[in-house]
Amino acid sequence: AQSVAQPEDQVNVAEGNPLTVKCTYSVSGNPYLFWYVQYPNRGLQFLLKYITGDNLVKGSYGFEAEFNKSQTSFHLKKPSALVSDSALYFCAVRSNTNAGKSTFGDGTTLTVKP
Amino acid sequence: NAGVTQTPKFQVLKTGQSMTLQCAQDMNHEYMSWYRQDPGMGLRLIHYSVGAGITDQGEVPNGYNVSRSTTEDFPLRLLSAAPSQTSVYFCASTSWEPGNTIYFGEGSWLTVV
Repeated sequence: AQSVAQPEDQVNVAEGNPLTVKCTYSVSGNPYLFWYVQYPNRGLQFLLKYITGDNLVKGSYGFEAEFNKSQTSFHLKKPSALVSDSALYFCAVRSNTNAGKSTFGDGTTLTVKP
Repeated sequence: NAGVTQTPKFQVLKTGQSMTLQCAQDMNHEYMSWYRQDPGMGLRLIHYSVGAGITDQGEVPNGYNVSRSTTEDFPLRLLSAAPSQTSVYFCASTSWEPGNTIYFGEGSWLTVV
């Protein structure tokens, strides 16, 4: 069975500092990894994804994520956090061996303080 | 470009009432699913469908029913609402190709009193 772990329920950073939101996964076959962001009272919005190729993936709003196959991780990063980045972040995995089924982590609340 | 459309956005039900949450997508996606989101619980899969006429249960299917008569529509039915079904519901769709993005609706806030 495939799974996703987001080990931190909450991440707090100061505006202007770099941020990291952690994600590890377990999957059979090739992993396809996604990050989504959810603002209050809204649906989930796609940020970025890793399919194949370069391990560093760049996405929306200045976010990037690094795929590490040996550590089975896909951490979300941003060099300089903004207060407006405060939101709930979800990591998700799909696999070519599980009929495309999606598995989501429990989410990490990011709070960026001025 | 509508994407995934959910209705209603807000609903209050009395215990025992039934209702249907509507979900429609215009991207010709094979794969559609319903999640519920409760505080501290992340997203939990209720039911999903891999194509018209095919549905299956997710993690928390009890009290919910689905059907998929067309590719576009995937309604979620609450058979006899209970306070434990107070939650936010999200419909999602994607294609078979695992590298394709999963698209979400804006959510339906349901309160059962």
